Amino acid sequence: EAGVTQFPSHSVIEKGQTVTLRCDPISGHDNLYWYRRVMGKEIKFLLHFVKESKQDESGMPNNRFLAERTGGTYSTLKVQPAELEDSGVYFCASSYGLTQDTQYFGPGTRLTVL
Amino acid sequence: RKEVEQDPGPFNVPEGATVAFNCTYSNSASQSFFWYRQDCRKEPKLLMSVYSSGNEDGRFTAQLNRASQYISLLIRDSKLSDSATYLCVVPNQGAQKLVFGQGTRLTINP
Repeated sequence: EAGVTQFPSHSVIEKGQTVTLRCDPISGHDNLYWYRRVMGKEIKFLLHFVKESKQDESGMPNNRFLAERTGGTYSTLKVQPAELEDSGVYFCASSYGLTQDTQYFGPGTRLTVL
Repeated sequence: RKEVEQDPGPFNVPEGATVAFNCTYSNSASQSFFWYRQDCRKEPKLLMSVYSSGNEDGRFTAQLNRASQYISLLIRDSKLSDSATYLCVVPNQGAQKLVFGQGTRLTINP
């Protein structure tokens, strides 16, 4: 069974540009999560989808970040315009359905904003 | 105070040694706890779940102390392949988001 996949693996952009990250969850997983780790800090929650609906977006840092999950399959996270402090590793995770279900993480997208 | 706190290390121990590290959490209502392992530039992977007083899986033992609000991870007979960062994770109750500690870096030396 394929795991969570993320694209791209790396992205280097300049401040003010736009970047879109993509996550494909494990097939059949209704729950999809975005997390982020900035340098020197712990991994932090950004938001949670249940199918195509945003269940919790309390971790989104500001309105420059837009997440979508049209059709309840893959998800995109767009940063527009990117700022220097957005640099970090963006992880996507998915889980089947229940609260205690294991969250499986993708390999992450390493974003560098210059 | 952070919700989940860990000693970042690094811990450097010889192969075959026993090593333990702790994690403290602030929410006394937390019911479940996890240890994830993260290799360099890789994704976090679930190592162990802890729902009651503790859990054992081979060389790994996780223990929970609810009164003091900490969980520990013990690794016996450590292997070179155990070198990684170990993340203490506590789900936010009422939500499904995971709250991570900063991680403890462990290096096993030959």
